[in-house]
Amino acid sequence: AQRVTQPEKLLSVFKGAPVELKCNYSYSGSPELFWYVQYSRQRLQLLLRHISRESIKGFTADLNKGETSFHLKKPFAQEEDSAMYYCALINNAGNMLTFGGGTRLMVKP
Amino acid sequence: GAGVSQSPSNKVTEKGKDVELRCDPISGHTALYWYRQSLGQGLEFLIYFQGNSAPDKSGLPSDRFSAERTGGSVSTLTIQRTQQEDSAVYLCASSGDTDTQYFGPGTRLTVL
Repeated sequence: AQRVTQPEKLLSVFKGAPVELKCNYSYSGSPELFWYVQYSRQRLQLLLRHISRESIKGFTADLNKGETSFHLKKPFAQEEDSAMYYCALINNAGNMLTFGGGTRLMVKP
Repeated sequence: GAGVSQSPSNKVTEKGKDVELRCDPISGHTALYWYRQSLGQGLEFLIYFQGNSAPDKSGLPSDRFSAERTGGSVSTLTIQRTQQEDSAVYLCASSGDTDTQYFGPGTRLTVL
C-alpha cells in the first residue's frame, strides 16, 4: 500500500524566512512524487514533480529515498506563497495519486 | 487552452436523492480521474478512466457510487440515495501523454 504523510497541518512563518514543508512516503515500488498547491479560491495545481528537478516560484524538493522523504523548501517565503500544499505519490501504473493530508502555509508580513 | 471544467460548481440536495456530477476533461486527454476532498478524509482517489473504460474502481466508497465516460471525453459521477457523509468537494482531473494530472475546480456537494 502507498501512503503519504505530511506531519504539519499548519505552518506559519514571517515573510523572508526560510520554509520547509515536510513530506514522508511509504511505497514498495519506485516512487514518483509531486507537490500540488491550492491557493485561496483556486483549483489544485501542480507545483513541481521530482523527476523534473525544477525550481518553481523559488520552491525546490529533493527526493531522499533513504529517508523516504520529499520535503518542499524555499529560502525566502513571500506572502503570496500562502496556500494549502499537498504532497502526492503516483503508483507505478500511473493511474492513481495518493495525497498527504496537506499543510496550510501562512506567510505573515 | 481550456482546462478541466466541472458542473455544477455547487450542489445542495436532500438526503436520499440521487445526484449527477459532470466533468469535461482537457481536449485530447485520454485519462480521467475522480477524487473526493472532505474535511475528515483529505483527498481520496475514487475512480480512473482510460478512454471509456474504468480499469480501477477500487476507490469508490460504496455501490451507491458509479461513474461513466462516453466518447472518451465527458464523464459523469452519479451518487444514488445520497447520505450526509457524501458531502464533500468532488474533483475531476485529466492527463495526457505524461502522467501529470490537471484538476478541475470541483463540485461542492452538500447533503442536507
